Amino acid sequence: GEDVEQSLFLSVREGDSSVINCTYTDSSSTYLYWYKQEPGAGLQLLTYIFSNMDMKQDQRLTVLLNKKDKHLSLRIADTQTGDSAIYFCAEGLKGGGNKLTFGTGTQLKVEL
Amino acid sequence: GAVVSQHPSRVICKSGTSVKIECRSLDFQATTMFWYRQFPKQSLMLMATSNEGSKATYEQGVEKDKFLINHASLTLSTLTVTSAHPEDSSFYICSARDQTNYGYTFGSGTRLTVV
Repeated sequence: GEDVEQSLFLSVREGDSSVINCTYTDSSSTYLYWYKQEPGAGLQLLTYIFSNMDMKQDQRLTVLLNKKDKHLSLRIADTQTGDSAIYFCAEGLKGGGNKLTFGTGTQLKVEL
Repeated sequence: GAVVSQHPSRVICKSGTSVKIECRSLDFQATTMFWYRQFPKQSLMLMATSNEGSKATYEQGVEKDKFLINHASLTLSTLTVTSAHPEDSSFYICSARDQTNYGYTFGSGTRLTVV
């Protein structure tokens, strides 16, 4: 199956860390991505991780991948109001013709 | 970095008319582009894969005669919604694979409203 699931909503205070979780079912995925979508806009690639990696850090973003549990997470350190958006995880499947399967999306709300 | 330009950003059309949406890769060549549809507060649904110089590959349940895709050059793919109806109103987003960074670059989306 290609179901990719995320929790729908997350609320955090400014300055705290945010952790957005994603679970997927297809073990043949080669790359896993995190995208950010602001209202009425397209998707902005935040980061990606190869399926043979456990962790990747890029400035305030840390991606953790637990391949055994098919669990992906995105941690945003020092969350700011500008981080308020919808975050999508996506998996690129080996042999899938370069198609991406997107998660259901998590709306992150950052409160003062 | 890779940039994908999508136009128009917003369009309102009458029922029964056709609307063309353009997706251009500005600084790279894209042999493959993807067209998605997104309903409010929902995820992206892949409609079709656009292949330069050949026919598009449509996902199950997507009407190829209604959503015409043309990928005539390495930098341009177009999606034409033919005989539009109010139920076609949605947010349409294109993307292209940028081979240099393993990422998929997305256009800014087109909000289509059919009245």
